[in-house]
Amino acid sequence: GQQVMQIPQYQHVQEGEDFTTYCNSSTTLSNIQWYKQRPGGHPVFLIQLVKSGEVKKQKRLTFQFGEAKKNSSLHITATQTTDVGTYFCAGPNNNNDMRFGAGTRLTVKP
Amino acid sequence: DAGITQSPRHKVTETGTPVTLRCHQTENHRYMYWYRQDPGHGLRLIHYSYGVKDTDKGEVSDGYSVSRSKTEDFLLTLESATSSQTSVYFCAISLQAPNTEAFFGQGTRLTVV
Repeated sequence: GQQVMQIPQYQHVQEGEDFTTYCNSSTTLSNIQWYKQRPGGHPVFLIQLVKSGEVKKQKRLTFQFGEAKKNSSLHITATQTTDVGTYFCAGPNNNNDMRFGAGTRLTVKP
Repeated sequence: DAGITQSPRHKVTETGTPVTLRCHQTENHRYMYWYRQDPGHGLRLIHYSYGVKDTDKGEVSDGYSVSRSKTEDFLLTLESATSSQTSVYFCAISLQAPNTEAFFGQGTRLTVV
């Protein structure tokens, strides 16, 4: 079945440093979504990418969808302590269900 | 929060007992999902529903059943709880179409002892 792999599993940065998490699917995706989950909280939708090669920005966050629609990345510029949490990517498989990556847990040292 | 309420928020139950978790939404959304979240596994889909009495299995459906007799309620039942079902359970909805942006409830932390 479809696999969605996410790396790294953990990332610890100093405040102000950049952060990137990568997502790779074993199959082509019709779309890819990114979520953020704060410690003790629930996942919160950030963005959905649909088009091959698409790039979207939200303030300090940049999201990319690969040309082959099998990989994606989330880049945060100049991290802040409010960026702490786990970032998940997710994509639909052929069986009409979403497959989530295992997430990248980001910690930020002030 | 898209009007999603999960109940209970926390539950401890004994092995072998049935447990029902409730997801309630106030905005008549068609698409609803139950996920479980475990360390190292992200979120895994248990069951989903595309409307009243229209449900289907997800990736990890063994040991779980669901019912949706009303648009606003999606119930998840653990028929005979096992320790491997200790997890955090999230209900989610999609607003426009299946497998598009999802909005999650607050979660239910279930411990099976």
